[in-house]
Amino acid sequence: TQLLEQSPQFLSIQEGENLTVYCNSSSVFSSLQWYRQEPGEGPVLLVTVVTGGEVKKLKRLTFQFGDARKDSSLHITAAQPGDTGLYLCAANFGNEKLTFGTGTRLTIIP
Amino acid sequence: DTAVSQTPKYLVTQMGNDKSIKCEQNLGHDTMYWYKQDSKKFLKIMFSYNNKELIINETVPNRFSPKSPDKAHLNLHINSLELGDSAVYFCASSRAPSGSYNEQFFGPGTRLTVL
Repeated sequence: TQLLEQSPQFLSIQEGENLTVYCNSSSVFSSLQWYRQEPGEGPVLLVTVVTGGEVKKLKRLTFQFGDARKDSSLHITAAQPGDTGLYLCAANFGNEKLTFGTGTRLTIIP
Repeated sequence: DTAVSQTPKYLVTQMGNDKSIKCEQNLGHDTMYWYKQDSKKFLKIMFSYNNKELIINETVPNRFSPKSPDKAHLNLHINSLELGDSAVYFCASSRAPSGSYNEQFFGPGTRLTVL
């Protein structure tokens, strides 16, 4: 069974600070996605990374796919209250399904 | 227009009852999914259908029976509900199965509470 561990599990920081969330596995992924879920809603895709070492930027969010394709990180610069939510990584391990990570609950304090 | 819709949004029922949750997508996607999200927010796949054919069945008790009458609909029927079935159930769809790096679009979820 492939597991995706995210850290930290909970993170509460002040508006304007920077933060990094991590997603790790003991197995190699074919691809990795990051989703954000707000209360009462379903997850929404932020990005897909498929190449080892790949870096993608989405405004203040920077996503990195590890060279060994076993880890990924999400860095947020100058966090804003609108960034509050549950961040989920989701990996494809070469089969027909997505395996979701354990999640990071992020709270940005105004 | 809502891309993936689920009904009902909330479902409160007694142990032992049978209930159904309905899902519809208007994105023209071929693949649909049911996920269960527990109280710790862990999201786990239950079933996946591609073109109305079951392609993933993740060791879910056979009290859970999905049905896909057509590509746009995937319903979930649960028999003999148990306390441990309480969770949020999400329906999702994608253009093709997830092995193709496709984005999944999620519905708003159905919060099931079994008393």
